[in-house]
Amino acid sequence: GAVVSQHPSWVICKSGTSVKIECRSLDFQATTMFWYRQFPKQSLMLMATSNEGSKATYEQGVEKDKFLINHASLTLSTLTVTSAHPEDSSFYICSASTTGPEQYFGPGTRLTVT
Amino acid sequence: TQLLEQSPQFLSIQEGENLTVYCNSSSVFSSLQWYRQEPGEGPVLLVTVVTGGEVKKLKRLTFQFGDARKDSSLHITAAQPGDTGLYLCAASGTYKYIFGTGTRLKVLA
Repeated sequence: GAVVSQHPSWVICKSGTSVKIECRSLDFQATTMFWYRQFPKQSLMLMATSNEGSKATYEQGVEKDKFLINHASLTLSTLTVTSAHPEDSSFYICSASTTGPEQYFGPGTRLTVT
Repeated sequence: TQLLEQSPQFLSIQEGENLTVYCNSSSVFSSLQWYRQEPGEGPVLLVTVVTGGEVKKLKRLTFQFGDARKDSSLHITAAQPGDTGLYLCAASGTYKYIFGTGTRLKVLA
C-alpha cells in the first residue's frame, strides 16, 4: 500500500521551454502532497506543500511563478517548471501523506535543461 | 529554526560490520521517521517511532527514539551491500515536516 508514482522519470528539455511533472497516489487519497528538490549527495529541500483544491504554500526562496503547482484531486498533483534554465536541472521528488506524519515518496524525476 | 542533525555524514564500512547513525535535535517531536533512499529513487519509509524510549526492530535494523523525544538512532547489525544508501530521519516541526541532513552509507563487499 501507499504507492506514489511520478511521471516522467526523466526528462531533457531545451532552455526556455516548460516541463510538467505528474505525481499520483495510486492506492490512497492524499490529504497533502509535497514537492522536493534534491541536489547531488544532499538531503531533500522542500519546495512547496499543496492541499487538494487549495493554492500551494511555497517555501521561502522558491518562485511560485516559476514552479507552478496544481493539486486538482486527492490523487494528483502536478509541478510545472516554466521557462526552464540549466540551473533548474535537478532531481524533483513528490510525496503524499494522509492523516499521519509519514510521507510516501514517488520515485523522482530527473530534469536536465540544455 | 528547527534542525535535525545527523551523524556521521558519510560512512564506508566492510560487509558484516555494525554501525549506528544518529539524529539529534534540540526540539521535541511527537514522532520521528526514518527513510532510506537509493540513488535515483525516492526515499522509502522504514519506520515511525512515537513514544520516548521506544525501540523498534526491522530485521537487522534497530531504531530507538530518545527518552525526551529529541533524538533517535539507527543501528544496523552485520551490514550488507544492500544496505548502501542515504539514510534520512524526519519529523514534524512546528510548522512543517523537516528532514535530517542525511547519512550516506556505503557497505563494501
